[in-house]
Amino acid sequence: SQTIHQWPATLVQPVGSPLSLECTVEGTSNPNLYWYRQAAGRGLQLLFYSVGIGQISSEVPQNLSASRPQDRQFILSSKKLLLSDSGFYLCAWSHSYEQYFGPGTRLTVT
Amino acid sequence: AQSVAQPEDQVNVAEGNPLTVKCTYSVSGNPYLFWYVQYPNRGLQFLLKYITGDNLVKGSYGFEAEFNKSQTSFHLKKPSALVSDSALYFCAVRDMGTDSWGKLQFGAGTQVVVTP
Repeated sequence: SQTIHQWPATLVQPVGSPLSLECTVEGTSNPNLYWYRQAAGRGLQLLFYSVGIGQISSEVPQNLSASRPQDRQFILSSKKLLLSDSGFYLCAWSHSYEQYFGPGTRLTVT
Repeated sequence: AQSVAQPEDQVNVAEGNPLTVKCTYSVSGNPYLFWYVQYPNRGLQFLLKYITGDNLVKGSYGFEAEFNKSQTSFHLKKPSALVSDSALYFCAVRDMGTDSWGKLQFGAGTQVVVTP
């Protein structure tokens, strides 16, 4: 069966510091991959999606970037964090219709 | 463009009573619709989907949803709510645009509170 991992689970970073969040999927190949941010409250905002290695589409202009160095690895990065980057970051994968989500990373920028 | 609306910010129900969480959609063409549940500090869990076929879709944990084309609705239902059903529920519709690559449009979410 397929599983999706995210790490770290929680992260506290100062403003201006770099960021690297990792997502990996097991048990499948060539998935579509997605990064979402959920701000305090509830709304989900799609940040990036990828349909293959090295193929990244950005939904919202911001100081974040994404990379897909391997088929089942999706990385979210920033060179300099802003306070507004705080939130709950979710990775998801899909092969057909529904998406399956990872456990998330809680990021607090101080 | 596709969109979904969840008109209720919160739904309160007593344990053992029927639970309904409302969702309406707006799409061009046939909709692909989904329900997810999120517990605190967890990722979203897939509950069920409607792609085609029977209007009543059965999913995980005793949930079901009824697709109504004339009312453009896809309400989530459970005959008898449990306290453990207290969570945040999201309705979503698949983006059918060119190069959409399976993107989903999520509603704002409905908080369900089930009281003992």
